[in-house]
Amino acid sequence: EIVLTQSPGTLSLSPGERATLSCRASQSVSSSYLAWYQQKPGQAPRLLIYGASSRATGIPDRFSGNGSGTDFTLTISRLEPEDFAVYYCQQYGSSPTFGQGTKVEIK
Amino acid sequence: EVQLVESGGGLVKPGGSLRLSCAASGFTFSSYTMNWVRQAPGKGLEWVSSISTSSTYIYYADSVKGRFTVSRDNAKNSLFLQMNSLSAEDTAVYYCARASVTGQRYFDYWGQGTLVTVSS
Repeated sequence: EIVLTQSPGTLSLSPGERATLSCRASQSVSSSYLAWYQQKPGQAPRLLIYGASSRATGIPDRFSGNGSGTDFTLTISRLEPEDFAVYYCQQYGSSPTFGQGTKVEIK
Repeated sequence: EVQLVESGGGLVKPGGSLRLSCAASGFTFSSYTMNWVRQAPGKGLEWVSSISTSSTYIYYADSVKGRFTVSRDNAKNSLFLQMNSLSAEDTAVYYCARASVTGQRYFDYWGQGTLVTVSS
């Protein structure tokens, strides 16, 4: 099983700031099969990024993903009030697994 | 509009059984691999099971293998999860999630979830 470790656990930032979230895999993720999701309280997760860097339909371009192998990053270029949420990475190169999440909170 | 609506959750005693359903609409259900993903209260996401378009390929997480059975009815646009021998560790919100059109198991649409509570 591929274990995904996200850091930091919590990111305290102000609206307008840049957020950089990390996801590290215990072994190489084949073909960059890495996705990112956003989840707000009481809601289902929402797909943001797949294939490590492709934005899902309707996702604003302030969200970007990159990385390969074992190291991946989600960047939110300028935080909007609606971006404060928990973010999960997920690999789907083998049996799907998720990271433990990074909470982006208002500073 | 793609919609996934789960039902069947509730309170069940340890060792008991429950059957979850997911009603799909707004897309060609028979063309997509479908999945169950769960989330324990206050915790992260855990993939549970996948079933391919014609039910040929079925996969389970080790944590549920031998206890849970996934199935689908393409004629009724429905996905099911039969859960047996439930324990407190199975307490979670269970989401029905659609895999990508290519079959790759990232999840582009999710239902709102149904809560399963296992407690005496």
